[in-house]
Amino acid sequence: QVQLQQSGPAVVKASQTLSLTCDISGDSVSSNSATWNWIRQSPSRGLEWLGRTYYRRSKLYNDYGISVRGRISINPDTSKNQFSLHLNSVTPEDTAVYYCARELFGSDFDYWGQGTLVTVSS
Amino acid sequence: QSVVTQPPSASGTPGQRVTISCSGSSSNIGGNYVHWFQQFPGTAPKLLIYKNNHRPSGVPDRFSASKSGTSASLAISGLRSEDEADYYCAAWDDSLSGRVFGGGTKLTVL
Repeated sequence: QVQLQQSGPAVVKASQTLSLTCDISGDSVSSNSATWNWIRQSPSRGLEWLGRTYYRRSKLYNDYGISVRGRISINPDTSKNQFSLHLNSVTPEDTAVYYCARELFGSDFDYWGQGTLVTVSS
Repeated sequence: QSVVTQPPSASGTPGQRVTISCSGSSSNIGGNYVHWFQQFPGTAPKLLIYKNNHRPSGVPDRFSASKSGTSASLAISGLRSEDEADYYCAAWDDSLSGRVFGGGTKLTVL
């Protein structure tokens, strides 16, 4: 059974960097059959895909959503079997519930983290 | 504003069949798979349908979906009170090089 466990601060000050981590159990961040995603949800923006990280034949790939491109990085850590989100220069508009999720090849976002409400304080 | 649009609300009575539409363009729904998610308040979305019309194990066959051109739809037959939730469609968008979600449809069981 795959489980994704999120951790990170609930409050971030404006202009600083939002950082969250997603611990994976039951699968591997270096799997060739999955991508590892960050998605957020707010009343004003709905569900918004932020980006993903994944390996194919030992090569690392990243894709980022257009709304956060340039401010985001998603990094896998194979030694800890986790992946992290870093979103810099945050504003109150970045206040949202953040989810990590696995996208399984041949399926879709089949496992999600529990969600973390992150509030950006001005 | 989402590039993939859904009606904000839908409703039905127990036992009824309801459908939720999802409209996009050739860069998303028209050229890529559509997936559907169910979300209850305070919980993460749950995968309901993947690759246009496939149900993950454990999803009742009361849930079905289809795609035609740049639109897709989710159908729920034999509506139950526990189906009251928010429903989202999603697809990859080739122009944006990213995943897009519909704005969501709140289903009310009357």
